[in-house]
Amino acid sequence: GNSVTQMEGPVTLSEEAFLTINCTYTATGYPSLFWYVQYPGEGLQLLLKATKADDKGSNKGFEATYRKETTSFHLEKGSVQVSDSAVYFCALSDTSGNTPLVFGKGTRLSVIA
Amino acid sequence: DAEITQSPRHKITETGRQVTLACHQTWNHNNMFWYRQDLGHGLRLIHYSYGVHDTNKGEVSDGYSVSRSNTEDLPLTLESAASSQTSVYFCASSEPGQGIHEQYFGPGTRLTVT
Repeated sequence: GNSVTQMEGPVTLSEEAFLTINCTYTATGYPSLFWYVQYPGEGLQLLLKATKADDKGSNKGFEATYRKETTSFHLEKGSVQVSDSAVYFCALSDTSGNTPLVFGKGTRLSVIA
Repeated sequence: DAEITQSPRHKITETGRQVTLACHQTWNHNNMFWYRQDLGHGLRLIHYSYGVHDTNKGEVSDGYSVSRSNTEDLPLTLESAASSQTSVYFCASSEPGQGIHEQYFGPGTRLTVT
């Protein structure tokens, strides 16, 4: 079945540091890929998405590129801020888009000033 | 603006009691989902529905039930609450798409079973 594996946290960075959170997936066909973010005390919200190989999703300075050859969708940001402290979830949707999303276990990011 | 709401936001109950968590969305989405979030496990799917009168079990459905009588609501019932069901519960909705769909999440309900 489909699955998502993301790096375990927590990840602690200083403000303005470079961020990478690794995400790899296992799926048949051509899934769509997502990063969701959960700020403290809130529900998840979509951060970015990509629907086909080599697509780059971007939002709020975050980027992730759909790499089919390595089955990866790593999240990156060039300069993190304290306000980026949150839990980040990688997820995939199968080709039909009509089955529940499959989530990774989440990576907690703490950014210190 | 369309939204998805959950109530209550916090609930404390005793072992063995029946508890119902409400989820209401105004997106008019056909798909609705219930997850629980626990440290070390991420999000785990409990039940989901693709439309009125449709319900499906997720990976951790034991001890939970849902019913879908209209498009807007998918209440989650714990038939006899257990301490293992202490968790944060999230409801989500999405519209069936053609190859891609985005789930919209509610703010969550923190349930404590004592």
